[in-house]
Amino acid sequence: SQQGEEDPQALSIQEGENATMNCSYKTSINNLQWYRQNSGRGLVHLILIRSNEREKHSGRLRVTLDTSKKSSSLLITASRAADTASYFCATESNFGNEKLTFGTGTRLTIIP
Amino acid sequence: DVKVTQSSRYLVKRTGEKVFLECVQDMDHENMFWYRQDPGLGLRLIYFSYDVKMKEKGDIPEGYSVSREKKERFSLILESASTNQTSMYLCASSSPLVAGSYNEQFFGPGTRLTVL
Repeated sequence: SQQGEEDPQALSIQEGENATMNCSYKTSINNLQWYRQNSGRGLVHLILIRSNEREKHSGRLRVTLDTSKKSSSLLITASRAADTASYFCATESNFGNEKLTFGTGTRLTIIP
Repeated sequence: DVKVTQSSRYLVKRTGEKVFLECVQDMDHENMFWYRQDPGLGLRLIYFSYDVKMKEKGDIPEGYSVSREKKERFSLILESASTNQTSMYLCASSSPLVAGSYNEQFFGPGTRLTVL
């Protein structure tokens, strides 16, 4: 079963605006990762946040994690047309089995 | 540059055919994974492998088998393809967890399989 659920399923914004995507999960985790997928391609790792962290930045990306609510958000600032893609959260459980459980994804469209 | 390759980008097969999807990684990773991706369902894990000749079932192994004879190669086998196996198949690899590390997965470009 899918652990992660992204919200919204689809998002369209104007270039230059900020995009926020949310992810909820169900079990205890070691870390939460965000991946990006361009249409018809494989996934690419973007950023990771560990369970003992609350916020992390990487370039135009900002990730937050609230373990009490079992939720995370990904913020992309100053969006560009090239940010158009699907974004997935993935959780690594604290069972140590090295599997990731992926969410259903948010389809982001940046309108030039 | 790290690389995961998959044997085909697009594949069309007939119902009942035996189908082989190949995945090769050049990063000397111990862990390899096969997922299928369907609209609205995200990525679902079919099988994974921690080492040569080792395999573990994922969330949806029914109708599939795998083979890992060499460290760099992980094959997904559809013994008798059915129309409900029409999907995008993604292969990934990762290093084993060591203290302080995390499990970033590296993905291939995917194989879009259509079963008629």
